[in-house]
Amino acid sequence: RKEVEQDPGPFNVPEGATVAFNCTYSNSASQSFFWYRQDCRKEPKLLMSVYSSGNEDGRFTAQLNRASQYISLLIRDSKLSDSATYLCVKGGSYIPTFGRGTSLIVHP
Amino acid sequence: EAQVTQNPRYLITVTGKKLTVTCSQNMNHEYMSWYRQDPGLGLRQIYYSMNVEVTDKGDVPEGYKVSRKEKRNFPLILESPSPNQTSLYFCASSLSGGQGSPLHFGNGTRLTVT
Repeated sequence: RKEVEQDPGPFNVPEGATVAFNCTYSNSASQSFFWYRQDCRKEPKLLMSVYSSGNEDGRFTAQLNRASQYISLLIRDSKLSDSATYLCVKGGSYIPTFGRGTSLIVHP
Repeated sequence: EAQVTQNPRYLITVTGKKLTVTCSQNMNHEYMSWYRQDPGLGLRQIYYSMNVEVTDKGDVPEGYKVSRKEKRNFPLILESPSPNQTSLYFCASSLSGGQGSPLHFGNGTRLTVT
C-alpha cells in the first residue's frame, strides 16, 4: 500500500464554491506534512505546511487528523486560478513521500 | 532572488549517450534531491544529499549517479540513458531535509531518450 493516498479527481467546481481534499497516510512516525500546488508541466510549489492544530492562510485551511491518519485541504471561494493539481506530502527521514495529486478544475 | 536553477529545460538524446543535468541553489540549503515525475506514478525520489560529499539513494536510483562536491550544486548524471528514463525531472532543496523543512523545486527538465 502506498504511504500517501489521494483521490486523483478531477474535482470540477464552479467559481465561488468550497472544495475539500483529503489525503490519507500510513506509517505515522512522520511529524511534518505539507500541501503543494502543481500547475501543468511546472514545478510543485509549497502551498502550506500542515500543523497539528490546523492552520489557515487566506482562503485555504489545512488540518491534520493523527487518529484517523489523514490531512485535509479546504479551499473557500474558489477562483479560476486555483485550477491545478494539489499534492499531499508526508515529511520525515530524508525521503519525503508524495501523493499522486488531486486535480482541481474551477470553471466559470 | 532565492531559487533552484536546473539546466537544460528540455533535452532529447539517444540511448547510451552520457548526459548531465545541472542543479544549483542559492539559498545555502544543506539538503538537495532529485525527483522524476511520470504520469500516474507521481513524484519519485532518485537521490538525495544531506550535505557536501554525503549522498544516498532514494526510491528509484537505478541508472543514475549524483555528486555533491559543493553545497550549491547537485548534478544528476545518466551514464548510459535508456528510453525508460524519459521523464520530467525536478531538482529540489531544503534548509535541512528531514522533518519540517519544505522543499523548493527547480523548474524541471523534460528528458526524452530515443
